[in-house]
Amino acid sequence: DTEVTQTPKHLVMGMTNKKSLKCEQHMGHRAMYWYKQKAKKPPELMFVYSYEKLSINESVPSRFSPECPNSSLLNLHLHALQPEDSALYLCASSQDGGRRYNEQFFGPGTRLTVL
Amino acid sequence: QKEVEQDPGPLSVPEGAIVSLNCTYSNSAFQYFMWYRQYSRKGPELLMYTYSSGNKEDGRFTAQVDKSSKYISLFIRDSQPSDSATYLCASGAMDTGRRALTFGSGTRLQVQP
Repeated sequence: DTEVTQTPKHLVMGMTNKKSLKCEQHMGHRAMYWYKQKAKKPPELMFVYSYEKLSINESVPSRFSPECPNSSLLNLHLHALQPEDSALYLCASSQDGGRRYNEQFFGPGTRLTVL
Repeated sequence: QKEVEQDPGPLSVPEGAIVSLNCTYSNSAFQYFMWYRQYSRKGPELLMYTYSSGNKEDGRFTAQVDKSSKYISLFIRDSQPSDSATYLCASGAMDTGRRALTFGSGTRLQVQP
């Protein structure tokens, strides 16, 4: 099973709302990632978790707050977003260590619209 | 200069054609090379994963890596309309500590029936 699931598929929120994106994988991967993808652009890395600990934050604004409650789950908490944050948010996972850690499997994404 | 360069296309071919998609990269530390297929408004799907130089074949897809020229290719044989998508090449290094992939900008492929 090489599936990464994400919920919700679509999300519309106002600039004052608080919402959360969820990601789940059951491949036993210990590295999980959040990416942001704007239209016609490649994915941009936001955060990396390794063994449930935040290992990389690519200078993402604090209105995005990641959380990794356990080895299978990854959340992205959203608060006070701006319209320019509208994008496809992708979760990915990979093995942590060895040659395969670059082999990242992506979820279907959450399409976020900020009004 | 971007670390991974990819022609954005669009590339339009007739059904049944052999498609060649290419990327160049500049970072000599890259050792892992991937091709992802992304349909409109969906997440990227991993197609091919290769380590170092050489060829890898999976069904109609063949990935080639030439580290001497820093050139990576994906060939699609007997292309089908269902292959119409954006193809992203990506590269990674063994131990940068960043665990991040560097993506090309993606090539949009249209296979005409």
